[in-house]
Amino acid sequence: GAGVSQSPSNKVTEKGKDVELRCDPISGHTALYWYRQSLGQGLEFLIYFQGNSAPDKSGLPSDRFSAERTGGSVSTLTIQRTQQEDSAVYLCASSVIPGSGNTIYFGEGSWLTVV
Amino acid sequence: KNEVEQSPQNLTAQEGEFITINCSYSVGISALHWLQQHPGGGIVSLFMLSSGKKKHGRLIATINIQEKHSSLHITASHPRDSAVYICAVRNTGNQFYFGTGTSLTVIP
Repeated sequence: GAGVSQSPSNKVTEKGKDVELRCDPISGHTALYWYRQSLGQGLEFLIYFQGNSAPDKSGLPSDRFSAERTGGSVSTLTIQRTQQEDSAVYLCASSVIPGSGNTIYFGEGSWLTVV
Repeated sequence: KNEVEQSPQNLTAQEGEFITINCSYSVGISALHWLQQHPGGGIVSLFMLSSGKKKHGRLIATINIQEKHSSLHITASHPRDSAVYICAVRNTGNQFYFGTGTSLTVIP
């Protein structure tokens, strides 16, 4: 596709259920980032994948959160045993690496509501 | 302390006014980005800077690497410019740090 694609665009889930959020980055982009944004808050880093390197997981808020990137392309963010404080928009972004002369492209986000 | 600080946090302007949003950062960077987030949540990249100044339509972005400071200017502001403007810096490890955003409302 032409841009970063995320699915689902909206998800309402019951507390305690697991959810999976998908990100399909721009073809050829080796860097993939997951962020989340709670209502009225700034962007919070979650995890960063770069090519075949070990991901930077330093932003994951708890062990209920995990992410993988298969084949260097599509990524899935999984939240287990969801809590109400997990409600946020989860944004995926991708960028071409290496070099600093590359912009970052965001998906439209997956809006998660935990009830 | 945040690596990226933006000011002001909120800004209301009359249509036609000249607007400036400031960004200061504390880390070594390879590039600085200005992003625009509309009420629906979508984010688009407006500018990417590593030095000097860039202009796109009514938008101008400048960066001073020595002072670790960047500004985003909007000339002849319009209600459709109403959005959250986010400053983001990419460090040499390709990690991004984001400011908390400036919420701009332009009143007709």
